[in-house]
Amino acid sequence: SQELEQSPQSLIVQEGKNLTINCTSSKTLYGLYWYKQKYGEGLIFLMMLQKGGEEKSHEKITAKLDEKKQQSSLHITASQPSHAGIYLCGADSGSARQLTFGSGTQLTVLP
Amino acid sequence: KAGVTQTPRYLIKTRGQQVTLSCSPISGHRSVSWYQQTPGQGLQFLFEYFSETQRNKGNFPGRFSGRQFSNSRSEMNVSTLELGDSALYLCASSLQGASYGYTFGSGTRLTVV
Repeated sequence: SQELEQSPQSLIVQEGKNLTINCTSSKTLYGLYWYKQKYGEGLIFLMMLQKGGEEKSHEKITAKLDEKKQQSSLHITASQPSHAGIYLCGADSGSARQLTFGSGTQLTVLP
Repeated sequence: KAGVTQTPRYLIKTRGQQVTLSCSPISGHRSVSWYQQTPGQGLQFLFEYFSETQRNKGNFPGRFSGRQFSNSRSEMNVSTLELGDSALYLCASSLQGASYGYTFGSGTRLTVV
């Protein structure tokens, strides 16, 4: 079965700093999803990447997919307290019928 | 348009009881998936329904079951509740599956005492 490893597990940054979260898969990535979650709440969709080399940006968040490395990265530029939360990567199993998730990265942004 | 709606938001049940959770997907979405989230195991896939048919099932005991109605609304049922079933249960809807992207609801927080 597919496994996703996220790093780091937790991250504390000063407001205004840039940061990167990585997600590495044990198997080929057919689709990679990034979600954000506030504790105890639902998942907020950030981005979906489906092609090797694909890069998407939304506001100050950029995600890239390196198919050969079976890895994706999420980069936040000039972080703000509103970026705080748990970031989760999820991968399509290939059957297109379920997602496997990483264990999450807890991001704290200090004002 | 309205998002994915899960009810109830919070639930407290006693060990041995059964519980039914409800999920209304985004209008037009025919795929509904259920996930369990716990601090120890993280997010785990339960099952996925499409047009009233279960297409995929995760590695959970038979006490966990679900169904989907003709209007795409879905319910999941957990019988003979155990303390370990305490979790956030999340529902996600999609047009047809992963390649179309999933939208998650706010979840139902189930506490078994």
